[in-house]
Amino acid sequence: DAGVTQSPTHLIKTRGQQVTLRCSPKSGHDTVSWYQQALGQGPQFIFQYYEEEERQRGNFPDRFSGHQFPNYSSELNVNALLLGDSALYLCASSLGQGKETQYFGPGTRLLVL
Amino acid sequence: KQEVTQIPAALSVPEGENLVLNCSFTDSAIYNLQWFRQDPGKGLTSLLLIQSSQREQTSGRLNASLDKSSGRSTLYIAASQPGDSATYLCAVTNSGNTPLVFGKGTRLSVIA
Repeated sequence: DAGVTQSPTHLIKTRGQQVTLRCSPKSGHDTVSWYQQALGQGPQFIFQYYEEEERQRGNFPDRFSGHQFPNYSSELNVNALLLGDSALYLCASSLGQGKETQYFGPGTRLLVL
Repeated sequence: KQEVTQIPAALSVPEGENLVLNCSFTDSAIYNLQWFRQDPGKGLTSLLLIQSSQREQTSGRLNASLDKSSGRSTLYIAASQPGDSATYLCAVTNSGNTPLVFGKGTRLSVIA
């Protein structure tokens, strides 16, 4: 049973560019949450998708957007990249909007130059 | 607003020692608390989940306790090994469908 997978593993972009990160949830999970983890910090919640809709959102600007597909996989899009967007982006999947254990993927390391 | 604090930020111990990592949270109305392990540059591995109605959970050499009224949790690691070296993160969810709120973690080094 495959766990949570994310792609790509690493990414380098320049300021002002746009990036798309992808996540496939653990089999049987219907909820995907995205977190941003800056170096030396704990993960910060970006948003959560359930039934193809954004259900909750953390304190992140509109440059951060997402999508969930009918197969429960999800994308995170970041527009107009800033140097401060450099971080590890983590995807977590769960059943029932996060009330149960959340399983995390390996993350995508984004570097903005 | 829920805030999670982990003390100490870093810890170095010789192999074989028992150790305790601390986590505190400001809002006691939590739904559950999770302890995670993170290896450098990697994702998070869930170690233990404690529901708000529980006092502790155990898995192998790990034991996590929860005192909701005082807003505290501890992670006890028995007979530490070099392979336990990692960052340990504590996270809580408040009642309902709120997302995980993380501490900054404790970076543990176990010296052989």
